Amino acid sequence: AQKITQTQPGMFVQEKEAVTLDCTYDTSDQSYGLFWYKQPSSGEMIFLIYQGSYDEQNATEGRYSLNFQKARKSANLVISASQLGDSAMYFCAMRGGNTGNQFYFGTGTSLTVIP
Amino acid sequence: EAQVTQNPRYLITVTGKKLTVTCSQNMNHEYMSWYRQDPGLGLRQIYYSMNVEVTDKGDVPEGYKVSRKEKRNFPLILESPSPNQTSLYFCASSGGRGVIYEQYFGPGTRLTVT
Repeated sequence: AQKITQTQPGMFVQEKEAVTLDCTYDTSDQSYGLFWYKQPSSGEMIFLIYQGSYDEQNATEGRYSLNFQKARKSANLVISASQLGDSAMYFCAMRGGNTGNQFYFGTGTSLTVIP
Repeated sequence: EAQVTQNPRYLITVTGKKLTVTCSQNMNHEYMSWYRQDPGLGLRQIYYSMNVEVTDKGDVPEGYKVSRKEKRNFPLILESPSPNQTSLYFCASSGGRGVIYEQYFGPGTRLTVT
């Protein structure tokens, strides 16, 4: 069974500091994808970063990087130099399943950036 | 402007009254999907479609129907809504062929069933 686990319901970080949001996943698929999405209080879902299961390098997108540890089945999101606008809900997601294109989301982590 | 649109944005209805939530994308994407978001449960996939006339069940398809007769549209149908279908619904699309990467989400539809 496919499953995404986010164990941190809420996190706080000081502005300009780095923060790591944890994500572990469970799958028996050989090929899968891992994603992070941001959901601000306004409600929209914003794609942040993607990591393929065969990618050897960790994905980076600006201030976002994905710390991919395949053997540990973890895909943590690192946000560097936090900004007030980073306060939001963050969801980890995995693409996989029988067709390879079903999506599974974690329960999310609420991040608050403190000035 | 590239976007995914959903209508209506807000809907209050009564148990058993059939309803349809429309979803349309203007990016010529093959992949479209519906999710529901509930507090503490994250997003759960209801149905997805790899292309016209191709649909597959997600994790929580019970009580929902979909159709994909045109590439741009992917309506979600609740034949007999029940209060446990009160939720925030998102439609999403992606242009990946065979392998799906980034999904573009619609603004969401907040449904209340009384």
